[in-house]
Amino acid sequence: DSGVTQTPKHLITATGQRVTLRCSPRSGDLSVYWYQQSLDQGLQFLIQYYNGEERAKGNILERFSAQQFPDLHSELNLSSLELGDSALYFCASSEPRQPQHFGDGTRLSIL
Amino acid sequence: QQQVKQSPQSLIVQKGGISIINCAYENTAFDYFPWYQQFPGKGPALLIAIRPDVSEKKEGRFTISFNKSAKQFSLHIMDSQPGDSATYFCAAAGVNQGGSEKLVFGKGTKLTVNP
Repeated sequence: DSGVTQTPKHLITATGQRVTLRCSPRSGDLSVYWYQQSLDQGLQFLIQYYNGEERAKGNILERFSAQQFPDLHSELNLSSLELGDSALYFCASSEPRQPQHFGDGTRLSIL
Repeated sequence: QQQVKQSPQSLIVQKGGISIINCAYENTAFDYFPWYQQFPGKGPALLIAIRPDVSEKKEGRFTISFNKSAKQFSLHIMDSQPGDSATYFCAAAGVNQGGSEKLVFGKGTKLTVNP
């Protein structure tokens, strides 16, 4: 058990909809990272938050947004969903200069 | 632009054999190189990691070899076991990247260890 909790485990929705993925980091970890895993693109970094502030952005679409709350949990919001957004979404957390620990992901299926 | 290239894509090894997975990177700002193991339905789990100040790191049956001049690093799994069957990802990160330690991953290697 990595200590990183992601909910829900599975999400099935339709094109055009909006969903929210939630991540609770390990106790004490200030950094939260979001990654997308798909068969063709592999694991891709989306965005990082550190203690409530956005730290870095990667290959994140404008339709996607994230935030980190004062209790350090984070949410990834995906809107105007398209078939190609179907993927596994992982959250990871870490302390500075320490390894990232991953949750078990949310599997998003767009019908 | 793929910054971390991983090979092979898949690997089949007999029980007791040595599994070798290779990675090459381009960005000389990278200073942290972890390997992750992923089982179906689970998130990536950190296996072993190395920083460029050493050329080799060993933890149990797992060894990372690092060649800074060639910008290559590899994972060796000694005495491979069926329970090692999983997908392995190499990754790289550098704190110089605007203060973020975001990981850049290779495409993964699916390892199958036959009994």
